[in-house]
Amino acid sequence: EPEVTQTPSHQVTQMGQEVILRCVPISNHLYFYWYRQILGQKVEFLVSFYNNEISEKSEIFDDQFSVERPDGSNFTLKIRSTKLEDSAMYFCASSERGHEQYFGPGTRLTVT
Amino acid sequence: AQSVTQLGSHVSVSEGALVLLRCNYSSSVPPYLFWYVQYPNQGLQLLLKYTSAATLVKGINGFEAEFKKSETSFHLTKPSAHMSDAAEYFCAVIHSGGGADGLTFGKGTHLIIQP
Repeated sequence: EPEVTQTPSHQVTQMGQEVILRCVPISNHLYFYWYRQILGQKVEFLVSFYNNEISEKSEIFDDQFSVERPDGSNFTLKIRSTKLEDSAMYFCASSERGHEQYFGPGTRLTVT
Repeated sequence: AQSVTQLGSHVSVSEGALVLLRCNYSSSVPPYLFWYVQYPNQGLQLLLKYTSAATLVKGINGFEAEFKKSETSFHLTKPSAHMSDAAEYFCAVIHSGGGADGLTFGKGTHLIIQP
């Protein structure tokens, strides 16, 4: 069964450094999303991407964040200058027609 | 704006007993509703979805949920709990109009199964 994959599973970085989280969505899906889950809190929407551009973004998704689909398979989330409060689990999701979203296993980001 | 409220951050049931996890939503437009399950150290797995067809929705692992518009509810049930059902369960809503919209999640309910 096709699934969303994410790398790395765990990323440790120092405050102020840039990180790139990578995702490979399900191959025939057209909509892509990033979410985050701070430890002990609920899952929060960050951004959606369709037709090679951002479709929707939450207030969390400020100028330090960016997304890209550099080729036909990868979907990346870049955090430009990490802060301690960026420590969270980051989930990528994809959807064929929108709405029904399938999630990857997540990348745990730890900022020290 | 839409929101989801899950009553009970922790629910404990005995193995073999009925599981009932509550979810209420608010949405200004017809919603699509979902239940996801998260096992320890894993991602979110889609359990079931309501997308304006049948109001009683059956999902994986014996779970089902009923959409009740009058009560703005979408409670998740399972007739007989198994130990393997122990996990975190999230209710989520999205409005039916926007395919690229993000899901709005509830805070989650931790289901504990007592032997």
